[in-house]
Order: sequence, then structure tokens, then C-alpha cells
Amino acid sequence: NAGVTQTPKFRILKIGQSMTLQCTQDMNHNYMYWYRQDPGMGLKLIYYSVGAGITDKGEVPNGYNVSRSTTEDFPLRLELAAPSQTSVYFCASISLNTEAFFGQGTRLTVV
Amino acid sequence: AQSVTQLDSQVPVFEEAPVELRCNYSSSVSVYLFWYVQYPNQGLQLLLKYLSGSTLVKGINGFEAEFNKSQTSFHLRKPSVHISDTAEYFCAPSNSGYALNFGKGTSLLVTP
Repeated sequence: NAGVTQTPKFRILKIGQSMTLQCTQDMNHNYMYWYRQDPGMGLKLIYYSVGAGITDKGEVPNGYNVSRSTTEDFPLRLELAAPSQTSVYFCASISLNTEAFFGQGTRLTVV
Repeated sequence: AQSVTQLDSQVPVFEEAPVELRCNYSSSVSVYLFWYVQYPNQGLQLLLKYLSGSTLVKGINGFEAEFNKSQTSFHLRKPSVHISDTAEYFCAPSNSGYALNFGKGTSLLVTP
């Protein structure tokens, strides 16, 4: 099993550009999450999904969108990048026994 | 939703010394508790969890934590730390086990 795979690992965007952060898991988990991590602030939940076709907002959803067309994939879309979205983004999935598996992260800089 | 307080943002400690990382959470009807560790430039991984049963939970790498319902705490301990334990540690209570609410993290720095 590859676990949770995120791409890209690093990205620099200009203000106003858009991009999609990819997340794939091969563990057949229903629950998937997107977090952002800023220094000293812990992880904040952006969006989550409890299964294919079902998504919901987390604590900080503004400026982001998600879709969940398959169990495996949970991409995060930034439509109009802003400097406030400079962060490290983590995708995670949770197993039936409640263990969360995280990707390696995407370090995004918006300039 | 659960709220969580990690009382120390940084904990410096010498190698082979004991360490305790503190975590308090808001009370709820039911609670599940997790500690995750993040090594530099990596994602988080599960250290240990409390779902029910014995209040003393043992995890990987010699860590353990004790669930104290009356004090709403779930402090993480290790009797003797190694350099390799240098990392960020996150406490995460949950009402369901499927919606984690992470604390701000405690940075453990182990020096020789």
C-alpha cells in the first residue's frame, strides 16, 4: 500500500492563479480530510468527506473547493490564490479503527 | 466540537531524561483521545489513542498517556527520551473518532 499520496510537494503560485492539490489513498477509507498547517497554529480543517459524492466544510473553507467523485481521490482546488493561503497542506484519511493516515504535505507559497 | 489546549508550545529536554507533554480538552458526553507525532518535513502519524477501557495507554516508541476524566487531561509521557524523539506532538480529542480537532502542538527538542 502506498497510503496517502499528495502531489505536488512544493508549488509557488502568483496571486490570482489557480491550482489543484491532488490527494489519493489506496486503503479504501471513506473518511478523507484536508488540513492546512501554519507555524504555531496546529492543523486547521478545510474540508472533509465521509464518502464518495459527500463533502462538507471544515473550520476554514473560504477560498477552497473540493470534490469526491471516487473513494480514492479527494482533490483540493484553489481558485484565486491569495498570500493568506501560503501554508503547508495535508491530506488525510481515517480507517475504521480511527487511525488517521497523512500524506507528506504540499508546501504552497503565494507571491 | 472538542476544544483542546496543549499547555506547552516548546519543551526542551536532555537525552535520557523523562518528559511529559500536557494536553487538556473540553469535556463532552463521550470522548476519544489521540496523540500524533510529526517529524520534520513529514506528515503526522499516530502515536497512541484512547477509545475506552484502561486509562493508561501505551503507544509506539516507548510513549504512554493517561486519560484522566476528572481533570479532562491526556498527558503524554516517556521515561527516557532519545534524540530521535525530537518532533512536533499533537493532541487531538474527538467526539466520534472520525473528526479530529488538533491542538496547536508541542515542539519537543531533545539535546545531548
